Amino acid sequence: DGGITQSPKYLFRKEGQNVTLSCEQNLNHDAMYWYRQDPGQGLRLIYYSQIVNDFQKGDIAEGYSVSREKKESFPLTVTSAQKNPTAFYLCASSTDSLNSPLHFGNGTRLTVT
Amino acid sequence: AQSVSQHNHHVILSEAASLELGCNYSYGGTVNLFWYVQYPGQHLQLLLKYFSGDPLVKGIKGFEAEFIKSKFSFNLRKPSVQWSDTAEYFCAVNIKGSTLGRLYFGRGTQLTVWP
Repeated sequence: DGGITQSPKYLFRKEGQNVTLSCEQNLNHDAMYWYRQDPGQGLRLIYYSQIVNDFQKGDIAEGYSVSREKKESFPLTVTSAQKNPTAFYLCASSTDSLNSPLHFGNGTRLTVT
Repeated sequence: AQSVSQHNHHVILSEAASLELGCNYSYGGTVNLFWYVQYPGQHLQLLLKYFSGDPLVKGIKGFEAEFIKSKFSFNLRKPSVQWSDTAEYFCAVNIKGSTLGRLYFGRGTQLTVWP
């Protein structure tokens, strides 16, 4: 089955540590996205990439970094500079076609203490 | 930054009641509009979308939404809800011409349907 795999489902880290969240898709989609979901705030875009080796900042990119070395993979690093890293992180992908909805992964819940 | 407002944070209904969830956005230009649903323990799924044409769009599971341009609104409706509609519903806006996955989401509305 085609889809988006995010791992791990739950992640715990100590404050001050960088952590990388994995996102892999086998849908052959060109575009990939990282959203952050906080209770009562909906989803906010962190970074997105429309093609390999290129990515753009979203609305809340500070404290995060990404890479897009392969079409299938778009890992997100939450750095120690991110002031409130505890959140639910959602990866998504699309073909950027009008007939193609955004496909979401199941998310990674990151807790930083 | 663009904003999307969902007026109801938590809606509680009995089965067979009618549903209307409000959504307003702030952008004055041309937009694409979406409603996403997140059932308990599942990933976000597209419920319906509006790109152009008939402002009344139908989605899955009997949901529909109406785009009223003059009111910057895209309200979601269902004539008769079921217990299985219990979920969180998100309205989202995409600015035409930008990448389609670049969405601005509302804060979400939690719908609880009692059997």
